[in-house]
Amino acid sequence: RKEVEQDPGPFNVPEGATVAFNCTYSNSASQSFFWYRQDCRKEPKLLMSVYSSGNEDGRFTAQLNRASQYISLLIRDSKLSDSATYLCAVNGGTSYDKVIFGPGTSLSVIP
Amino acid sequence: DTGVSQDPRHKITKRGQNVTFRCDPISEHNRLYWYRQTLGQGPEFLTYFQNEAQLEKSRLLSDRFSAERPKGSFSTLEIQRTEQGDSAMYLCASSLSTDTGELFFGEGSRLTVL
Repeated sequence: RKEVEQDPGPFNVPEGATVAFNCTYSNSASQSFFWYRQDCRKEPKLLMSVYSSGNEDGRFTAQLNRASQYISLLIRDSKLSDSATYLCAVNGGTSYDKVIFGPGTSLSVIP
Repeated sequence: DTGVSQDPRHKITKRGQNVTFRCDPISEHNRLYWYRQTLGQGPEFLTYFQNEAQLEKSRLLSDRFSAERPKGSFSTLEIQRTEQGDSAMYLCASSLSTDTGELFFGEGSRLTVL
């Protein structure tokens, strides 16, 4: 089993739609969780961290379910500029542990 | 520009040749990561450093791959006897060890092995 798994996608949604991405991780000791965004032919950039209580940043909402080892990202009112690949990333249980990325889910927002 | 820089940006080589990539992290960052990414996949962890210490190397990584960070600043990734399967984007990222999730990536070094 891969350490971090994501919805395979791609997701093709119309502008204004709400879309949700899911991610599961295998290491129950993981402490830190993140969503990164990667535009075509560009490097990944941090979109948002995921906190236990859930967190929101504008149209983006991230949720964490430790019991199910599951992370989600919700995008409301999708914009054309949201088209990208969304990468789930998980850190291990110690401050010295590496950051592992999922395979990514591709999103295309269609006019 | 004080971001992460990688060199070269593109490298085309023949099978069997050695290649070396360099990464210069953000100056105050003590943690440095190397990842490999192929089309349609997420970044695959290769190795990482805390200052000059190499903390972990992926078990999937062949012995042909070696990385160094001799003075805790820049790092090099060397691939010996390249194979066509080594063709990929090699990404370097850096972070502060106190903020282990926010990695700052370079633009990558694209390797093509003919």
